[in-house]
Amino acid sequence: GAGVSQSPRYKVAKRGQDVALRCDPISGHVSLFWYQQALGQGPEFLTYFQNEAQLDKSGLPSDRFFAERPEGSVSTLKIQRTQQEDSAVYLCASSLAQGQASPLHFGNGTRLTVT
Amino acid sequence: DAKTTQPNSMESNEEEPVHLPCNHSTISGTDYIHWYRQLPSQGPEYVIHGLTSNVNNRMASLAIAEDRKSSTLILHRATLRDAAVYYCILRDRLDYGGSQGNLIFGKGTKLSVKP
Repeated sequence: GAGVSQSPRYKVAKRGQDVALRCDPISGHVSLFWYQQALGQGPEFLTYFQNEAQLDKSGLPSDRFFAERPEGSVSTLKIQRTQQEDSAVYLCASSLAQGQASPLHFGNGTRLTVT
Repeated sequence: DAKTTQPNSMESNEEEPVHLPCNHSTISGTDYIHWYRQLPSQGPEYVIHGLTSNVNNRMASLAIAEDRKSSTLILHRATLRDAAVYYCILRDRLDYGGSQGNLIFGKGTKLSVKP
């Protein structure tokens, strides 16, 4: 079946531009996560949704970062006034249910380069 | 949050077994031990998880020490496709009335497989 899909695969933005990154989770998955991965590092948690409710946004690095999942399915991560330090791979993951044992399924990410 | 310690890198020969160690001396009683791997230019992929008993699946085996302060991921016959960064992760339990936690990644172990 289809996995987690992210678009675009690559995004180049000029400093100061706004960007929107899309995530299509696996159908029926309740939980959705966003992660940021800098070059050579492990992914770092940004935010978490359970259905349409954003239950944890403690990892968002600044108020320029905003995420939504209005109908409990597709999610969008928006970054306003991009800065060079925002350059990273942004990963989306979904899981079928809440709970520690439910594995996360990751997309292949969006590589954002801010010039 | 409980942390894990893994070697930065390991090498293996193709078709030989690989033992990837992980130390987690501060693990709590209800933390699950998860392993994910990340191939180049892809998102992380779930490998296996366990709580106390050893676990086997089609991808790998997970051996958990009796005191749970360490674990070992075992690839029985390494192939070139197994070259990846392997992450050992303790699932952080955040209780939202249903117990859901995100994944806290470290730097992982970069596994190289020689033909």
